[in-house]
Amino acid sequence: EPEVTQTPSHQVTQMGQEVILRCVPISNHLYFYWYRQILGQKVEFLVSFYNNEISEKSEIFDDQFSVERPDGSNFTLKIRSTKLEDSAMYFCASMSGQGWGTQYFGPGTRLTVL
Amino acid sequence: SQQGEEDPQALSIQEGENATMNCSYKTSINNLQWYRQNSGRGLVHLILIRSNEREKHSGRLRVTLDTSKKSSSLLITASRAADTASYFCATVNYGQNFVFGPGTRLSVLP
Repeated sequence: EPEVTQTPSHQVTQMGQEVILRCVPISNHLYFYWYRQILGQKVEFLVSFYNNEISEKSEIFDDQFSVERPDGSNFTLKIRSTKLEDSAMYFCASMSGQGWGTQYFGPGTRLTVL
Repeated sequence: SQQGEEDPQALSIQEGENATMNCSYKTSINNLQWYRQNSGRGLVHLILIRSNEREKHSGRLRVTLDTSKKSSSLLITASRAADTASYFCATVNYGQNFVFGPGTRLSVLP
């Protein structure tokens, strides 16, 4: 069964460093998402991406964040200058098409900012 | 309160018992979905119920939706230790992003 994959599973970085989190969505999906979950808290929407552009973003997704689909398979989230409060699990999700269907989530990347 | 709030926050039951979790929301929705998350892991989709549906079944899962009360419930029958996880409802409005509640932590004791 196709699945969303994410790398790395765990990323440790120093405050102020740039990180890139990578996701490979399910191959025929058209909509892509990033969410984050601070330890013990709920899953929060960051950004959605369709047709090579951001379609919606939350207040969390400020100028420090960017997303890119550099090729036909990868979908990346970049945090330019990490802060301690960026420590969280970051989940990528993809959805096949319109109709507000099911989003399929990857296993997540645990980001630890020291 | 926020869109997609589950209650209880935590639930502990014995294996074989039924577990019921509730979700309330505030705005109009297109559909509501339930996800499971094992500790430190990703989200696994369980079931989707559309706004024009009232009840849906999938194996040992039963989901109800009451749009007049803006609430949903997830029932897991004959629970197993492997059902131990956090359960989240996610509401989907007419935009793209999901709004997750804070989740219910279910512990099924053997």
